[in-house]
Amino acid sequence: AIQMTQSPSSLSASVGDRVIITCRASQGIRNDLGWYQQKPGKAPNLLIYAASSLQSGVPSRFSGSGSGTDFTLTISSLQPEDFATYYCLQDYNYPLTFGQGTKLEIK
Amino acid sequence: EEQLVESGGGLVQPGGSLRLSCEASGFSLSSYAMSWVRQAPGKGLEWVSGISGRGGSTFYADSVQGRFTISRDNSKKTLYLQMNSLTVEETAVYYCAKGMVANGERDAFDIWGQGTMVTVSS
Repeated sequence: AIQMTQSPSSLSASVGDRVIITCRASQGIRNDLGWYQQKPGKAPNLLIYAASSLQSGVPSRFSGSGSGTDFTLTISSLQPEDFATYYCLQDYNYPLTFGQGTKLEIK
Repeated sequence: EEQLVESGGGLVQPGGSLRLSCEASGFSLSSYAMSWVRQAPGKGLEWVSGISGRGGSTFYADSVQGRFTISRDNSKKTLYLQMNSLTVEETAVYYCAKGMVANGERDAFDIWGQGTMVTVSS
């Protein structure tokens, strides 16, 4: 199975900050990677698919980049509603695998 | 509006069985890859099982292979997960999720259900 290593596991930041979260795949996965946001008690929500495509309805402050093994999620200017946990997911092959998650907290 | 609603969770003893259901609306269940994803209390997301949109091939995480079975009834617009020989460690919220692209084998999940809680305890 492909392993997804996500970092950092937690992050403290302030409103207005620029934040970068990374995911590294244990083997090449082309651009078959998505990013999800999850708030407590809620289902995950798709932010980015195919590594860099913004899902409909998601604010443009979210962006994704990368291909092969290294990927990043960038939030250009944090808003109060962005404090949540973020996960990457590779859909290159089965079994699908998630990163461990990044908990983004208010500084 | 595309929507998924899970049901069937509850309390089950270790070694017991449970069948989860996920009713789809607003799209054709048979045309999309679907998956089950779980989340143990306070833990991260774990993909459990998937079924492709085209052909209905099935896939499982190693941890559930041979014990869980994913299936769908297109006439009832419902996805299922039959879970046997459950362990305490499989206590989790179970989500069903829909792939983005019609007739895809696998892809990003654009629609998620609200989740159903499964508690495995004696």
